[in-house]
Amino acid sequence: QVQLQQWGAGLLKPSETLSLTCAVYGGSFSDYYWNWIRQSPGKKLEWLGEINHSGGANYNPSLRSRVTISVDTSERQFSLRLSSVTAADTAVYYCARGSMWLALDMWGQGTMVTVSS
Amino acid sequence: QSALTQPRSVSGSPGQSVTISCTGTSSDVGYYNYVSWYQQHPGKAPKLILYDVSKRPSGVPDRFSGSKSGNTASLTISGLQPEDEADYYCCSYVRSYVFETETKVSVL
Repeated sequence: QVQLQQWGAGLLKPSETLSLTCAVYGGSFSDYYWNWIRQSPGKKLEWLGEINHSGGANYNPSLRSRVTISVDTSERQFSLRLSSVTAADTAVYYCARGSMWLALDMWGQGTMVTVSS
Repeated sequence: QSALTQPRSVSGSPGQSVTISCTGTSSDVGYYNYVSWYQQHPGKAPKLILYDVSKRPSGVPDRFSGSKSGNTASLTISGLQPEDEADYYCCSYVRSYVFETETKVSVL
């Protein structure tokens, strides 16, 4: 059974860098793209980007300048860094698996990240 | 990225059917079949319930069905159950995943 477990700092100050990691348990790691999505307090879902096992990444154009997604295949983990955060980055952040049908078929439990001075 | 639009809320009694539509453009929903639907209960992560417009992942009840006509995709819940009360999101993939605003389904 595939499980995604994520962790990272939940409280940041403006201008700091958000850092989250997601570990994948079970299933293949190399056959999928690994994604980050966030959900604002208003419930809007926003895709941040994806990465494959060899490090090929795609990013949301609107956030490309601030987002970096990396992968550690040996640990079966992938990570998100979002720089220069503001209050507008306050959201629940999810990691998710991207299937071959271009749908997000497995999700982590979510991490609430609050940006406040 | 184009924006997808759908109604914000629908409701029905147990056993009834409800349909949620999701309107995109000829560049996303209308062109590709990479439309997926997600169900989210309060405090939980979204759950995939349909992909490729109308295909159900293993374990998803067959009362959930999907279709597409032109630039509009639709999710139908037949035989509404109390546990179907949730937020639903449609999503289209064209070089990136684009989600629309949620539709809240209420079971009266």
